[in-house]
Amino acid sequence: NAGVTQTPKFQVLKTGQSMTLQCAQDMNHEYMSWYRQDPGMGLRLIHYSVGAGITDQGEVPNGYNVSRSTTEDFPLRLLSAAPSQTSVYFCASSSAGPPTDTEAFFGQGTRLTVV
Amino acid sequence: AQKITQTQPGMFVQEKEAVTLDCTYDTSDPSYGLFWYKQPSSGEMIFLIYQGSYDQQNATEGRYSLNFQKARKSANLVISASQLGDSAMYFCAMREDNFNKFYFGSGTKLNVKP
Repeated sequence: NAGVTQTPKFQVLKTGQSMTLQCAQDMNHEYMSWYRQDPGMGLRLIHYSVGAGITDQGEVPNGYNVSRSTTEDFPLRLLSAAPSQTSVYFCASSSAGPPTDTEAFFGQGTRLTVV
Repeated sequence: AQKITQTQPGMFVQEKEAVTLDCTYDTSDPSYGLFWYKQPSSGEMIFLIYQGSYDQQNATEGRYSLNFQKARKSANLVISASQLGDSAMYFCAMREDNFNKFYFGSGTKLNVKP
């Protein structure tokens, strides 16, 4: 039972480069989301999706794109990396509410450094 | 406005003592869920405990309990008999029934002293 698989675990990018963080879940969850974690800021929602073909912006969407072509996959694209995007990124999934009694399952995180 | 507020950036507790981590939330949705997660230094997010807004009793899971005070909009995590392995970052989170989004607080870093 893999749960939520997130790749890569570590990445260093140069300013202006693009890349895609991969996220896949095998729990048939409708809801998937991307967060970034910065010191003292907790987890901030970047983008989320409530099903294939449906995505929406979170608190900090600028500089990131997402798509959801299948239930299982929810990749996060950095279009032109900036040092401000240096962060730890988490992908999470859960069944869609209501009821809201299902916790979010998290991937292992991606530590991204933009130089 | 902040949906989830954790006012304790860092806390210390002596091993074997109990500790309370504070969490207040803001919502107008009558139906919601409250969650606590633990993040050890290795970085993974570990689900600890859940409380539903309509639950009459406080949730408990082993040494973890959630002190739910609905009128005050608080959902404090109580860890009894602290262990060295409890040293970690703890996040409070909320999910509203009307929106499929989890809101997280800024976290509390707990250090358990031997």
